[in-house]
Amino acid sequence: NAGVTQTPKFQVLKTGQSMTLQCAQDMNHEYMSWYRQDPGMGLRLIHYSVGAGITDQGEVPNGYNVSRSTTEDFPLRLLSAAPSQTSVYFCASRPGTASGNTIYFGEGSWLTVV
Amino acid sequence: GNSVTQMEGPVTLSEEAFLTINCTYTATGYPSLFWYVQYPGEGLQLLLKATKADDKGSNKGFEATYRKETTSFHLEKGSVQVSDSAVYFCALSDLDSGYALNFGKGTSLLVTP
Repeated sequence: NAGVTQTPKFQVLKTGQSMTLQCAQDMNHEYMSWYRQDPGMGLRLIHYSVGAGITDQGEVPNGYNVSRSTTEDFPLRLLSAAPSQTSVYFCASRPGTASGNTIYFGEGSWLTVV
Repeated sequence: GNSVTQMEGPVTLSEEAFLTINCTYTATGYPSLFWYVQYPGEGLQLLLKATKADDKGSNKGFEATYRKETTSFHLEKGSVQVSDSAVYFCALSDLDSGYALNFGKGTSLLVTP
């Protein structure tokens, strides 16, 4: 039972480089989302998706792109990395439309931009 | 918009002490409320949740009651252990946020022997 799988777990980038954080879930969940966690800021929503082919912006979307071509996968792309994007990134998924449904988190991806 | 406010940390307690971490929220709809816990170097784990007013969520000795009249969801535990040392996040989810989570900033708890 894999749940939500994120790769890579650790990554160091140079300013201006691009990369993709991968997220996959095997629970057939409709909803997926990306958060970033910064010290003293809690977790902030970057982008989310309510189903394949549908994405929307969260609280801090600038500098990030997403796509949802399949139910299972929700990659997060950094087109031109900046030091301000140094953070821990969490992918999450949840089933259905009821607000009380449990959200499942991946283990996180630690990204450093130098 | 939706928001969650938690008490500032860090909170330091001796083992077996009583714990309260305050959480209040602002929401336009009827949110569900959650407490997540993050142990050092790990991801977030759901600790407990409540989906409607007056519901009480409980797990591992922790409890929180959904109080709509005071827009609060305070986390309590009667006797903390060293293993409870972690960061605790209060969060809400509702239709207005696309059912994504709005988090508080987190409260760090350190329990000493």
